[in-house]
Amino acid sequence: EVQLVESGGGLVQPGGSLRLSCAASGFTVSSNYMSWVRQAPGKGLEWVSVIYSGGSTYYADSVKGRFTISRDNSKNTLYLQMNSLRAEDTAVYYCARARGYSGYDFGYWGQGTLVTVSS
Amino acid sequence: QSALTQPASVSGSPGQSITISCTGTSSDVGGYNYVSWYQQHPGKAPKLMIYDVSNRPSGVSNRFSGSKSGNTASLTISGLQAEDEADYYCSSYTSSSTLLYVFGTGTKVTVL
Repeated sequence: EVQLVESGGGLVQPGGSLRLSCAASGFTVSSNYMSWVRQAPGKGLEWVSVIYSGGSTYYADSVKGRFTISRDNSKNTLYLQMNSLRAEDTAVYYCARARGYSGYDFGYWGQGTLVTVSS
Repeated sequence: QSALTQPASVSGSPGQSITISCTGTSSDVGGYNYVSWYQQHPGKAPKLMIYDVSNRPSGVSNRFSGSKSGNTASLTISGLQAEDEADYYCSSYTSSSTLLYVFGTGTKVTVL
Protein backbone atom coordinates (compact mmCIF):
# COMPACT_ATOMS: atom_id res chain seq x y z
CA GLU A 1 0.00 0.00 0.00
CA VAL A 2 1.31 3.43 -0.95
CA GLN A 3 1.74 5.73 2.04
CA LEU A 4 3.16 9.23 2.33
CA VAL A 5 3.76 10.86 5.70
CA GLU A 6 4.89 14.47 5.89
CA SER A 7 6.63 16.07 8.84
CA GLY A 8 8.68 19.14 9.69
CA GLY A 9 6.06 21.86 9.57
CA GLY A 10 5.70 24.49 12.25
CA LEU A 11 5.93 28.15 13.09
CA VAL A 12 8.89 30.07 11.66
CA GLN A 13 9.75 33.75 11.48
CA PRO A 14 9.94 35.60 8.16
CA GLY A 15 13.34 35.05 6.62
CA GLY A 16 13.76 31.75 8.42
CA SER A 17 14.23 28.21 7.14
CA LEU A 18 12.45 24.91 7.47
CA ARG A 19 12.92 21.44 6.01
CA LEU A 20 9.93 19.29 5.27
CA SER A 21 10.19 15.53 5.01
CA CYS A 22 7.91 13.03 3.30
CA ALA A 23 8.52 9.44 4.31
CA ALA A 24 7.27 6.98 1.72
CA SER A 25 6.33 3.33 2.01
CA GLY A 26 4.93 0.79 -0.39
CA PHE A 27 7.00 2.08 -3.33
CA THR A 28 10.41 3.51 -4.22
CA VAL A 29 10.63 7.32 -4.21
CA SER A 30 13.50 7.39 -6.69
CA SER A 31 11.49 5.48 -9.30
CA ASN A 32 8.56 7.89 -9.33
CA TYR A 33 7.68 11.50 -10.08
CA MET A 34 7.34 13.21 -6.69
CA SER A 35 5.91 16.66 -6.06
CA TRP A 36 5.16 19.19 -3.36
CA VAL A 37 1.81 20.98 -3.54
CA ARG A 38 0.67 23.61 -1.06
CA GLN A 39 -2.63 25.12 0.02
CA ALA A 40 -2.83 28.43 1.84
CA PRO A 41 -5.56 28.64 4.50
CA GLY A 42 -8.96 28.83 2.80
CA LYS A 43 -7.35 28.94 -0.65
CA GLY A 44 -6.83 26.62 -3.60
CA LEU A 45 -4.06 24.21 -4.49
CA GLU A 46 -0.72 25.48 -5.79
CA TRP A 47 2.00 23.31 -7.33
CA VAL A 48 5.41 24.03 -5.77
CA SER A 49 8.03 21.63 -7.09
CA VAL A 50 8.66 18.24 -8.71
CA ILE A 51 11.56 15.83 -8.90
CA TYR A 52 11.46 13.32 -11.71
CA SER A 53 12.80 9.79 -11.46
CA GLY A 54 15.79 10.81 -13.56
CA GLY A 55 16.64 13.50 -11.02
CA SER A 56 15.48 16.59 -12.90
CA THR A 57 13.90 19.21 -10.66
CA TYR A 58 11.48 22.03 -11.40
CA TYR A 59 10.00 24.84 -9.33
CA ALA A 60 7.19 27.35 -9.45
CA ASP A 61 8.54 30.85 -9.99
CA SER A 62 7.11 31.86 -6.61
CA VAL A 63 9.65 29.62 -4.80
CA LYS A 64 12.50 29.36 -7.30
CA GLY A 65 15.83 30.18 -5.70
CA ARG A 66 14.42 29.77 -2.18
CA PHE A 67 13.15 26.17 -2.07
CA THR A 68 15.04 22.98 -2.94
CA ILE A 69 13.48 19.58 -3.55
CA SER A 70 15.58 16.49 -2.96
CA ARG A 71 15.33 12.82 -2.03
CA ASP A 72 17.29 10.33 0.05
CA ASN A 73 17.12 6.97 -1.64
CA SER A 74 18.48 5.12 1.41
CA LYS A 75 15.66 6.52 3.55
CA ASN A 76 13.05 6.45 0.77
CA THR A 77 12.21 10.02 1.73
CA LEU A 78 11.42 13.22 -0.15
CA TYR A 79 12.45 16.62 1.20
CA LEU A 80 11.68 20.26 0.67
CA GLN A 81 14.25 22.70 2.01
CA MET A 82 12.61 26.10 2.39
CA ASN A 83 14.77 29.20 2.91
CA SER A 84 14.01 32.92 3.07
CA LEU A 85 10.45 32.15 4.07
CA ARG A 86 7.76 34.77 3.60
CA ALA A 87 4.31 35.24 5.07
CA GLU A 88 2.81 34.17 1.74
CA ASP A 89 4.48 30.75 2.11
CA THR A 90 2.07 29.97 4.95
CA ALA A 91 0.17 26.86 3.86
CA VAL A 92 -0.42 23.19 4.31
CA TYR A 93 2.27 21.42 2.30
CA TYR A 94 1.42 18.09 0.73
CA CYS A 95 3.80 15.66 -0.89
CA ALA A 96 2.31 13.75 -3.77
CA ARG A 97 3.28 10.93 -6.10
CA ALA A 98 2.17 10.48 -9.68
CA ARG A 99 -0.35 7.71 -10.18
CA GLY A 100 2.01 5.79 -12.43
CA TYR A 101 5.79 5.87 -12.54
CA SER A 102 5.77 8.90 -14.81
CA GLY A 103 2.28 10.30 -14.90
CA TYR A 104 1.52 14.00 -15.05
CA ASP A 105 -0.92 13.87 -12.18
CA PHE A 106 -0.94 13.58 -8.39
CA GLY A 107 -2.29 10.12 -7.68
CA TYR A 108 -1.24 9.70 -4.07
CA TRP A 109 -1.13 12.35 -1.35
CA GLY A 110 0.15 12.62 2.18
CA GLN A 111 -1.92 14.12 4.97
CA GLY A 112 -0.07 17.43 4.78
CA THR A 113 2.01 19.46 7.20
CA LEU A 114 1.23 23.06 8.18
CA VAL A 115 3.87 25.74 7.77
CA THR A 116 3.15 29.10 9.38
CA VAL A 117 5.43 32.04 8.65
CA SER A 118 4.84 34.79 11.16
CA SER A 119 6.65 37.00 13.61
CA GLN B 1 0.70 31.92 -15.68
CA SER B 2 -2.68 32.23 -13.93
CA ALA B 3 -4.68 29.44 -12.43
CA LEU B 4 -7.10 27.57 -14.67
CA THR B 5 -10.60 29.04 -14.48
CA GLN B 6 -13.37 27.08 -12.76
CA PRO B 7 -16.82 28.21 -11.59
CA ALA B 8 -16.76 29.07 -7.89
CA SER B 9 -19.76 26.88 -7.13
CA VAL B 10 -22.06 24.33 -8.70
CA SER B 11 -25.07 22.72 -7.07
CA GLY B 12 -27.52 19.97 -7.83
CA SER B 13 -30.12 17.72 -6.25
CA PRO B 14 -29.46 14.08 -5.44
CA GLY B 15 -29.63 11.96 -8.56
CA GLN B 16 -29.00 14.84 -10.92
CA SER B 17 -25.93 15.37 -13.10
CA ILE B 18 -23.64 18.36 -12.86
CA THR B 19 -20.69 19.49 -14.94
CA ILE B 20 -17.69 21.53 -13.80
CA SER B 21 -15.68 23.37 -16.43
CA CYS B 22 -11.96 24.12 -16.37
CA THR B 23 -10.74 26.69 -18.87
CA GLY B 24 -7.09 27.22 -19.72
CA THR B 25 -5.04 28.01 -22.78
CA SER B 26 -3.26 26.24 -25.60
CA SER B 27 -0.19 26.13 -23.34
CA ASP B 28 -1.86 23.88 -20.81
CA VAL B 29 -5.34 22.32 -21.15
CA GLY B 30 -5.49 22.69 -24.92
CA GLY B 31 -1.94 21.60 -25.55
CA TYR B 32 -1.69 18.37 -23.58
CA ASN B 33 -3.87 15.43 -22.63
CA TYR B 34 -2.61 15.71 -19.06
CA VAL B 35 -5.67 17.13 -17.34
CA SER B 36 -6.56 15.64 -13.98
CA TRP B 37 -9.32 16.25 -11.45
CA TYR B 38 -9.24 16.15 -7.64
CA GLN B 39 -11.90 15.93 -4.95
CA GLN B 40 -11.16 17.49 -1.58
CA HIS B 41 -13.35 17.21 1.51
CA PRO B 42 -12.83 19.75 4.31
CA GLY B 43 -9.65 19.12 6.27
CA LYS B 44 -8.62 16.24 4.03
CA ALA B 45 -5.99 15.72 1.37
CA PRO B 46 -7.11 15.88 -2.26
CA LYS B 47 -8.05 12.64 -4.02
CA LEU B 48 -7.40 11.91 -7.70
CA MET B 49 -10.68 11.34 -9.54
CA ILE B 50 -9.71 11.60 -13.22
CA TYR B 51 -6.32 11.54 -14.96
CA ASP B 52 -5.19 12.09 -18.55
CA VAL B 53 -8.47 13.91 -19.34
CA SER B 54 -10.87 11.00 -19.08
CA ASN B 55 -9.36 8.04 -17.22
CA ARG B 56 -10.63 6.89 -13.82
CA PRO B 57 -8.24 5.41 -11.28
CA SER B 58 -9.17 2.09 -9.81
CA GLY B 59 -11.75 2.52 -7.06
CA VAL B 60 -13.27 5.77 -8.32
CA SER B 61 -16.97 5.54 -9.08
CA ASN B 62 -18.00 5.46 -12.74
CA ARG B 63 -20.39 8.31 -11.91
CA PHE B 64 -17.36 10.54 -12.46
CA SER B 65 -16.29 11.22 -16.03
CA GLY B 66 -13.96 13.67 -17.76
CA SER B 67 -13.66 15.19 -21.19
CA LYS B 68 -11.94 18.00 -23.06
CA SER B 69 -12.72 20.28 -25.97
CA GLY B 70 -10.16 22.81 -27.08
CA ASN B 71 -8.89 24.76 -24.08
CA THR B 72 -11.70 23.63 -21.77
CA ALA B 73 -11.87 20.42 -19.78
CA SER B 74 -14.96 19.20 -17.95
CA LEU B 75 -15.80 16.93 -15.06
CA THR B 76 -19.28 15.44 -14.97
CA ILE B 77 -20.77 13.85 -11.88
CA SER B 78 -23.86 11.82 -12.64
CA GLY B 79 -26.34 10.47 -10.09
CA LEU B 80 -25.23 13.11 -7.58
CA GLN B 81 -24.93 11.81 -4.03
CA ALA B 82 -24.54 13.55 -0.67
CA GLU B 83 -20.94 12.36 -0.32
CA ASP B 84 -20.03 14.15 -3.56
CA GLU B 85 -20.33 17.47 -1.75
CA ALA B 86 -16.73 18.74 -1.72
CA ASP B 87 -14.29 21.05 -3.46
CA TYR B 88 -13.07 20.00 -6.89
CA TYR B 89 -9.88 21.11 -8.61
CA CYS B 90 -8.63 20.53 -12.13
CA SER B 91 -4.93 20.47 -12.98
CA SER B 92 -2.90 20.45 -16.15
CA TYR B 93 0.67 20.06 -17.25
CA THR B 94 1.81 23.35 -18.78
CA SER B 95 4.56 24.68 -20.99
CA SER B 96 4.52 27.95 -19.08
CA SER B 97 7.88 29.46 -18.22
CA THR B 98 6.80 30.04 -14.63
CA LEU B 99 5.67 26.58 -13.59
CA LEU B 100 5.20 23.01 -14.78
CA TYR B 101 1.76 22.22 -13.42
CA VAL B 102 -1.17 24.52 -12.91
CA PHE B 103 -4.29 24.00 -10.81
CA GLY B 104 -7.75 25.38 -11.29
CA THR B 105 -9.34 27.94 -9.00
CA GLY B 106 -11.54 25.28 -7.44
CA THR B 107 -15.29 24.60 -7.45
CA LYS B 108 -17.47 24.02 -4.42
CA VAL B 109 -20.08 21.37 -5.20
CA THR B 110 -23.20 21.52 -3.06
CA VAL B 111 -25.78 18.75 -2.97
CA LEU B 112 -29.13 20.38 -2.29
